[in-house]
Amino acid sequence: QVQLQQSGPGLVKPSQTLSLTCAISGDSVSSNSGTWNWIRQSPSRGLEWLGRTYYRSTWYSDYAVSVKSRITINPDTSKNQFSMQLNSVTPEDTAVYYCARASLWFGGPDYYYYIDVWGKGTTVTVSS
Amino acid sequence: DIQMTQSPSTLSASVGDRVTITCRASQSISSWLAWYQQKPGKAPKLLIYKASSLQSGVPSRFSGSGSGTEFTLTISSLQPDDFATYYCQHYNSNSYSFGQGTKLEIE
Repeated sequence: QVQLQQSGPGLVKPSQTLSLTCAISGDSVSSNSGTWNWIRQSPSRGLEWLGRTYYRSTWYSDYAVSVKSRITINPDTSKNQFSMQLNSVTPEDTAVYYCARASLWFGGPDYYYYIDVWGKGTTVTVSS
Repeated sequence: DIQMTQSPSTLSASVGDRVTITCRASQSISSWLAWYQQKPGKAPKLLIYKASSLQSGVPSRFSGSGSGTEFTLTISSLQPDDFATYYCQHYNSNSYSFGQGTKLEIE
């Protein structure tokens, strides 16, 4: 059974960098079928997908337009985990942050990734 | 960007009721839709993927239907554990978008 264990600070000062890590058990960050995602949730923005990393013979990352200039998601194969860094945070970045796995459904020419495993969430407050 | 709109925002119902939640996409999304259940302080839990496929371990009273722009989540007979917030979600090649949620309350 796949489990995701999140770690990172709960308080970050404005203009600084938010860094979170997600340790994977029961699967591999180098899987050729899964993707590894970060999602956040706040009362004002609801559930918001931030980005993902995945391995398909080489490493790829995709990011939401809303945070693309500030975010980096990286795998760490030696520790079987992945991390997110969000730069230049403001109070608007206050949210619960989740890491999550998306699994691949494949049928003929079509394929689809659905998020099926979530971490427990980390409440991050941006405040001085 | 494709917008996902759920209705109603809040739904009051009783144990044993049959309830339906609707999710509409701003343009056709084929069957690339999932449904999640979220309880306070917890992460969302996958119920349905690809519009109508029941995730392993999810009770059969949950079902999903639809394609194109209109989708529904149906709970055939509400149980006490089902009172929660429900979200639809669309996957589009390299991003995800969520509906705003439907809170299912005890009547």
